[in-house]
Amino acid sequence: DAGVTQSPTHLIKTRGQQVTLRCSPKSGHDTVSWYQQALGQGPQFIFQYYEEEERQRGNFPDRFSGHQFPNYSSELNVNALLLGDSALYLCASSYRQGSAFFGQGTRLTVV
Amino acid sequence: AQSVTQPDIHITVSEGASLELRCNYSYGATPYLFWYVQSPGQGLQLLLKYFSGDTLVQGIKGFEAEFKRSQSSFNLRKPSVHWSDAAEYFCAVGVENAGNMLTFGGGTRLMVKP
Repeated sequence: DAGVTQSPTHLIKTRGQQVTLRCSPKSGHDTVSWYQQALGQGPQFIFQYYEEEERQRGNFPDRFSGHQFPNYSSELNVNALLLGDSALYLCASSYRQGSAFFGQGTRLTVV
Repeated sequence: AQSVTQPDIHITVSEGASLELRCNYSYGATPYLFWYVQSPGQGLQLLLKYFSGDTLVQGIKGFEAEFKRSQSSFNLRKPSVHWSDAAEYFCAVGVENAGNMLTFGGGTRLMVKP
């Protein structure tokens, strides 16, 4: 059983560009959340998707948006990239209110 | 809003010694509490969780944690540390009916001396 898979693993973008990160949840899971983990810090909640709708959102600007597809996979989009957006982006999936299982993350570097 | 504090940024223990990592939370109702471990450049692995019931929770890799409501704490313990336990440990709090929306502490980096 594959766990949570994220792609790509690493990404380098230029300031001002847009980026899309992808996540496939663990089999049987229907809820996906995204987290941003800056270097040396704990993960911070960005938003959560369930039934293809954004259900919860953390304190992140509208430049951060997402989508969930009918097969429960999800995308995180970040527009107008800033240097401060450089971080490890983690996807977590769960079945409804169950425990969250995390992927290996996508390391985004903005130059 | 909920918050989590991990007072120790770094901890170094000798292999075979016991370990306790501290976690304090702030939340108005009964929290859902978690401990995750992260190896360098990797994602987070769930060690254990507390939702309700017995306040002493057993997890994977020989870890346990005790929920103490009076102290707003959820400390992680292991009786004998192995070199492979060296990693970053995160305590997190979740809320009922909010799925996998978690608030994390800043983490504690564990180093193990041979």
